[in-house]
Amino acid sequence: TQLLEQSPQFLSIQEGENLTVYCNSSSVFSSLQWYRQEPGEGPVLLVTVVTGGEVKKLKRLTFQFGDARKDSSLHITAAQPGDTGLYLCAGTVTGKLIFGQGTTLQVKP
Amino acid sequence: DAGVTQSPTHLIKTRGQQVTLRCSPKSGHDTVSWYQQALGQGPQFIFQYYEEEERQRGNFPDRFSGHQFPNYSSELNVNALLLGDSALYLCASSRARSSLGAFFGQGTRLTVV
Repeated sequence: TQLLEQSPQFLSIQEGENLTVYCNSSSVFSSLQWYRQEPGEGPVLLVTVVTGGEVKKLKRLTFQFGDARKDSSLHITAAQPGDTGLYLCAGTVTGKLIFGQGTTLQVKP
Repeated sequence: DAGVTQSPTHLIKTRGQQVTLRCSPKSGHDTVSWYQQALGQGPQFIFQYYEEEERQRGNFPDRFSGHQFPNYSSELNVNALLLGDSALYLCASSRARSSLGAFFGQGTRLTVV
């Protein structure tokens, strides 16, 4: 059974601080996605990483896929209140998504 | 592009009843997957449809069934509803053999009372 462990589960920080969310597994994934979800809404795709060692940047967000394609990280620089939400990582296995349990981020003004 | 649309957005059912949820995939997508998300948890894979057939199934009982139509839209049916079936049901669409990721609808919030 493939499992994705996200850490931390909860994060409460002040505006302007930096943070990193980790997503780890003992399984290899063909690709990994990061999503952001608001309460009562569906997850919104932020990025897909495919190649081991790949780094992608989306404004203040930096995503990295581990060399062995078993882990990933999301780094946010100078967090803003608009970054508040549930961040989910999901690994692709035979076309289906295996999700981590999510990281709830609260950014206080 | 309307993206992935789901209906209804909210639903209240009584224990033992049956429910049908609907999903229209993003334009150009041919694969539809359904997920169940309990409060405070990550989504759990229910099943996936491609070319009108169930291709993969997660660890859900036979009370959960689905269908995909020729226009790629899909339905999720749940029979004999239990209180524990209360959750946000998410539909995701993608293109077969694409690594671009899946796009989700806004979900259907099902409450079983």
